[in-house]
Amino acid sequence: DGGITQSPKYLFRKEGQNVTLSCEQNLNHDAMYWYRQDPGQGLRLIYYSQIVNDFQKGDIAEGYSVSREKKESFPLTVTSAQKNPTAFYLCASSIKQRGNLRQPQHFGDGTRLSIL
Amino acid sequence: AQKITQTQPGMFVQEKEAVTLDCTYDTSDQSYGLFWYKQPSSGEMIFLIYQGSYDEQNATEGRYSLNFQKARKSANLVISASQLGDSAMYFCAMREDLYNFNKFYFGSGTKLNVKP
Repeated sequence: DGGITQSPKYLFRKEGQNVTLSCEQNLNHDAMYWYRQDPGQGLRLIYYSQIVNDFQKGDIAEGYSVSREKKESFPLTVTSAQKNPTAFYLCASSIKQRGNLRQPQHFGDGTRLSIL
Repeated sequence: AQKITQTQPGMFVQEKEAVTLDCTYDTSDQSYGLFWYKQPSSGEMIFLIYQGSYDEQNATEGRYSLNFQKARKSANLVISASQLGDSAMYFCAMREDLYNFNKFYFGSGTKLNVKP
């Protein structure tokens, strides 16, 4: 079955440590996204990518970095510069096609990141 | 300005009754798409229903329908015959066609509690 796989489901970060969240999709989607969700809040866009080797900052990119070396993969690194990283992180993908707005984003099951 | 506004942080509804979740949007684009997602406490995002700006009929998917009022820029979700399993966060989202058609804008969400 096609879908998006995020790993790990739970992640703990020590102070000063960088951690990487994995996101893999087999839907053949060009566009991929990372969102941050704080408890009881909405989704905030961190980064998104519309094509391999290209990505754009979202609304809260500071303290995060991404890469898009393969179409299927869009890992997110939470760096030590992100002072408050405790949150739920969601990865999504979508078809990139102007005029075909009907296609929704597909989401992974998320990664919960906590500070030790 | 906020692209998507959900003014109801929390709602209660009695089981088997209908409930309306509000969503207003802001865009200067003529072509856009509106989505509703459900997020249970487990965290995954479930796509519920889509409405295109040029769709003449209000969208319906089972117990979900969308009350689309284009002139008022509102796209309210109506859930009929509420069930206990409908208790979740609900997010309204928009995708524009003209500018940055791969970017999705999310509202802050409405937490729905269905009472037995």
